[in-house]
Amino acid sequence: AQTVTQSQPEMSVQEAETVTLSCTYDTSENNYYLFWYKQPPSRQMILVIRQEAYKQQNATENRFSVNFQKAAKSFSLKISDSQLGDTAMYFCAYGSGNTGKLIFGQGTTLQVKP
Amino acid sequence: KAGVTQTPRYLIKTRGQQVTLSCSPISGHRSVSWYQQTPGQGLQFLFEYFSETQRNKGNFPGRFSGRQFSNSRSEMNVSTLELGDSALYLCASSSGLASGTDTQYFGPGTRLTVL
Repeated sequence: AQTVTQSQPEMSVQEAETVTLSCTYDTSENNYYLFWYKQPPSRQMILVIRQEAYKQQNATENRFSVNFQKAAKSFSLKISDSQLGDTAMYFCAYGSGNTGKLIFGQGTTLQVKP
Repeated sequence: KAGVTQTPRYLIKTRGQQVTLSCSPISGHRSVSWYQQTPGQGLQFLFEYFSETQRNKGNFPGRFSGRQFSNSRSEMNVSTLELGDSALYLCASSSGLASGTDTQYFGPGTRLTVL
């Protein structure tokens, strides 16, 4: 069975600095997608970034980028120039055609300090 | 486009009662998935509906059921409520073309409290 692990329950960063959130996963599948979702205190889950496993190039979305290491089954999220609005819980998720669903990690609560 | 909407936003019920939650997906989306979020268990998949049919199911007891209508709106029902059913229930919609890999768009959730 596929699993997703986020080993950092809580992190904090100063505004304007860079922070990296870790995520590892376990799977025997070759074709899958990985996602980072953000859940601010208001509770609406928002997609941050998505990575297709067959693409070697790391996905980027403005200040958000990932470091996808397929062989190591690692999928970390880097947030550059952190802003107060980045304060949220971040979830790493795995999805594949075989699972038919998203499998989430336990989440990392990120606090951006002024 | 309007986002995913869920009603009601908050519910308080007592043990033994049943509850129905509603989800309206983004216009054009045909897949609706439901997730339960609790502090202890995190986010767990309940089921997915696509074109009015349950396409995938998680490991929840039969007290949890759902359905989807022809306009893609979905309802989730929980019967004989237990204290452990207290949770945030999230609905997510997607195009449904690629189950499990489509980007899912989440609603604000329904906070269910069972007393």
